[in-house]
Amino acid sequence: AQSVTQLDSQVPVFEEAPVELRCNYSSSVSVYLFWYVQYPNQGLQLLLKYLSGSTLVKGINGFEAEFNKSQTSFHLRKPSVHISDTAEYFCAVSEAQSNTGKLIFGQGTTLQVKP
Amino acid sequence: DAGITQSPRYKITETGRQVTLMCHQTWSHSYMFWYRQDLGHGLRLIYYSAAADITDKGEVPDGYVVSRSKTENFPLTLESATRSQTSVYFCASSNRDRGLHRQFFGPGTRLTVL
Repeated sequence: AQSVTQLDSQVPVFEEAPVELRCNYSSSVSVYLFWYVQYPNQGLQLLLKYLSGSTLVKGINGFEAEFNKSQTSFHLRKPSVHISDTAEYFCAVSEAQSNTGKLIFGQGTTLQVKP
Repeated sequence: DAGITQSPRYKITETGRQVTLMCHQTWSHSYMFWYRQDLGHGLRLIYYSAAADITDKGEVPDGYVVSRSKTENFPLTLESATRSQTSVYFCASSNRDRGLHRQFFGPGTRLTVL
């Protein structure tokens, strides 16, 4: 079984500052890792994913994440945030090569970008 | 082409009533999923379906029933709603492409059980 822990429930940050949203996972099998974003009153959109290969993955809207196998982490970063980045962010895992693609989500982190 | 839609978007009901949440996708994706979103829990899988007439339980299936008679539809029924089922419900669909599922999410249904 897999589990995901997002270490911060809320992250307030000023506009144009860098941000890191932390995600740790546990699994006894190989996993794929994902970050999703949820804007107010909307569904989830995929930001980026890690399947294999390079540990630094780039996603949409200037976000990137780094997979660290030894620390079982997949932290999300952005060097300079905008007001429009205010949203809920979810880290998720699925078993690699899964037939079903079931996702296990973390609790979510609310990113609040202040002017 | 709407992709994946959910209806209703908002629903208020009373304890003990039956409620059905609808999910419709236009991509002919094989897999469909129902999640509930609660503060502090993120999204938790209720049920999923690999194809028409094939469904299976997720992490929190108690109190819910699903069916999938057509590939494009995946309704979720609360047979006797309880206050603990007040939540935001998301439907998602995916296909398996080279071992990877990419799930696409609907806009959600906010359900309040009084």
